[in-house]
Amino acid sequence: QAQLVQSGAEVKKPGASVKVSCRASGYTFTAYYIHWVRQAPGQGLEWMGWINPNSGDTNFAQKFQGRVTMTRDTSITTAYMELSRLTSDDTAVYYCARNYRKAHIDYWGQGTLVTVSS
Amino acid sequence: DIQMTQSPSTLSASVGDRVTITCRASQSISRWLAWYQQIPGKAPKLLIYKASNLENGVPSRFSGSGSGTEFILTISSLQPDDFATYYCQQYNSNSPSFGQGTKLEIK
Repeated sequence: QAQLVQSGAEVKKPGASVKVSCRASGYTFTAYYIHWVRQAPGQGLEWMGWINPNSGDTNFAQKFQGRVTMTRDTSITTAYMELSRLTSDDTAVYYCARNYRKAHIDYWGQGTLVTVSS
Repeated sequence: DIQMTQSPSTLSASVGDRVTITCRASQSISRWLAWYQQIPGKAPKLLIYKASNLENGVPSRFSGSGSGTEFILTISSLQPDDFATYYCQQYNSNSPSFGQGTKLEIK
């Protein structure tokens, strides 16, 4: 059974960076893309980007270009999302999720709450 | 970027009702559309993929239809566990996008 387990909640000050991890198990890590999706309090789902764990290739939503970095460590089947220059608008639950090539997203992590507050 | 628009934003219904939620894409996405259910405090759960394919384990009262730019999620007979928020998502492009969500409330 595939599983994505994310790191714990974070509290950051404005201007700081946050790095969230997503550890995959139960499937071949390099065969599925990892997406990052966030959800601000009371709001909808917002796609941020994906990483291909096999090649390291990434694709980001234009809104986050220049501020987001997505990496992976295949030796520990873990993907990372780092968001810099945080503001209060970045307060949200951040989810990792996987999909197979052009297919739908099928599994999600449990979410990581990132709170940005002075 | 492909914009996804859901309607209605909020839907009030009763147990046993048949409900439909519509999702429109700003350009054709063929059948590359998924529907998710989200309960507050939980991650989204996949219900339907490729417009009309039911995910394993999802009750058959859920169904999806459509292609191109217009898609529909139907719940044939609402159960108490179905009161949640529903999202459509296109994955036709290299940059997937979600609808704004439809909150299904108890009348």
